[in-house]
Amino acid sequence: DQQVKQNSPSLSVQEGRISILNCDYTNSMFDYFLWYKKYPAEGPTFLISISSIKDKNEDGRFTVFLNKSAKHLSLHIVPSQPGDSAVYFCAASVRRNQGGKLIFGQGTELSVKP
Amino acid sequence: GAVVSQHPSWVICKSGTSVKIECRSLDFQATTMFWYRQFPKQSLMLMATSNEGSKATYEQGVEKDKFLINHASLTLSTLTVTSAHPEDSSFYICSADRRIGSYNEQFFGPGTRLTVL
Repeated sequence: DQQVKQNSPSLSVQEGRISILNCDYTNSMFDYFLWYKKYPAEGPTFLISISSIKDKNEDGRFTVFLNKSAKHLSLHIVPSQPGDSAVYFCAASVRRNQGGKLIFGQGTELSVKP
Repeated sequence: GAVVSQHPSWVICKSGTSVKIECRSLDFQATTMFWYRQFPKQSLMLMATSNEGSKATYEQGVEKDKFLINHASLTLSTLTVTSAHPEDSSFYICSADRRIGSYNEQFFGPGTRLTVL
């Protein structure tokens, strides 16, 4: 039972354009969502998060949108840069459990071409 | 920042041997650490939650006798893969919980690549 899904295994975008990475979830108990960036043979690094009480959170070039009714979130990167090329994982947790475990999606490999 | 280290970064061992992987929180104390496994092109799968001073909580399908977890101090958790087999070859990643404001956040280590011959 895959509670967090990233249906696009890969995405290719031109430098300067917008990258949109999507994530769907099934568990309505999730109240906190995160995006991580990961390079091969390295641990994930935190990018941005959003609480379920919000529908948008922005940090520089990164914006996360949450649509609770659709159980969908997306990460927008604009403008995209070649250094953004990596695998992006979305994750969800029941945060009110005070440190609830993270459930990860399968990841989307983003390639930003110069 | 919150730094988490893992040692070793990679290890190659023979089938049947045991391998220990260390996870350390370098600049904070973590009562809870998590161990994940990632197979190529796949998601990070939570294996177990390591609790300082008590037994680890294992996820369904993870053999606790094969993957021994010890969280002996507030800055160190170890994962021992006992009697390793080639199918245990994977990328193992730990994370440590740190209190940030009202909630806990997880900070990840760099991972350990295990290859069992």
